[in-house]
Amino acid sequence: QLQLQESGPGLVKPSETLSLTCTVSGGSITSSSYYWGWIRQPPGKGLEWIGNIYYSGSTYYNPSLKSRVTISVDTSKNQFSLKLTSVTAADTAVYYCARPVEFLQWLLVDPWGQGTLVTVSS
Amino acid sequence: QLVLTQSPSASASLGASVKLTCTLSSGHSSYAIAWHQQQPEKGPRYLMKLNSDGSHSKGDGIPDRFSGSSSGAERYLTISSLQSEDEADYYCQTWGSGILVFGGGTRLTVL
Repeated sequence: QLQLQESGPGLVKPSETLSLTCTVSGGSITSSSYYWGWIRQPPGKGLEWIGNIYYSGSTYYNPSLKSRVTISVDTSKNQFSLKLTSVTAADTAVYYCARPVEFLQWLLVDPWGQGTLVTVSS
Repeated sequence: QLVLTQSPSASASLGASVKLTCTLSSGHSSYAIAWHQQQPEKGPRYLMKLNSDGSHSKGDGIPDRFSGSSSGAERYLTISSLQSEDEADYYCQTWGSGILVFGGGTRLTVL
């Protein structure tokens, strides 16, 4: 059964870069029809999509975050990563890695990682 | 613009049934969606994918009490024989024009 596990610092200073890694186990990151993505949830709020990557490297980003986001994949380690630059307190959230799966013309998320809280504070 | 609209809250009694709604914005009534459940203090869990014709496919281990249906631009999640652990936030999600979209979520209270 596919499992996703986020890792990275739980505290980042304002203006610095948030970096997280998602390790995929129970399946290959190079499997076709699967994308790999990041989603976040500020405390007490709803879900916000950050972006997706295909193992070949093609990416889709949320337009509201695109200028600050980079998602990359390391097929040798079965991992993918998120970098978010110039963070502010508004970027404080639980960050989830997830696998969007192709269903006809749509991408539907299944499964989710357990999430990791990242707090932006000096 | 692709938007998913959900009522912020719903409530139903223990053992009863409840039907949650996710409405697709104009021009997107043929879209498939996924339903996700987020129990308190936990991460989201995939429940099912739901197509415009009402056909749906549930995730591993999702009880038969959960079902999906569709009518026009509306996508429904029905939970029957409500249990206390069904008290959670429920989100719908889809994809369009290179963007992954979530509804605002419905908080279900089991009375």
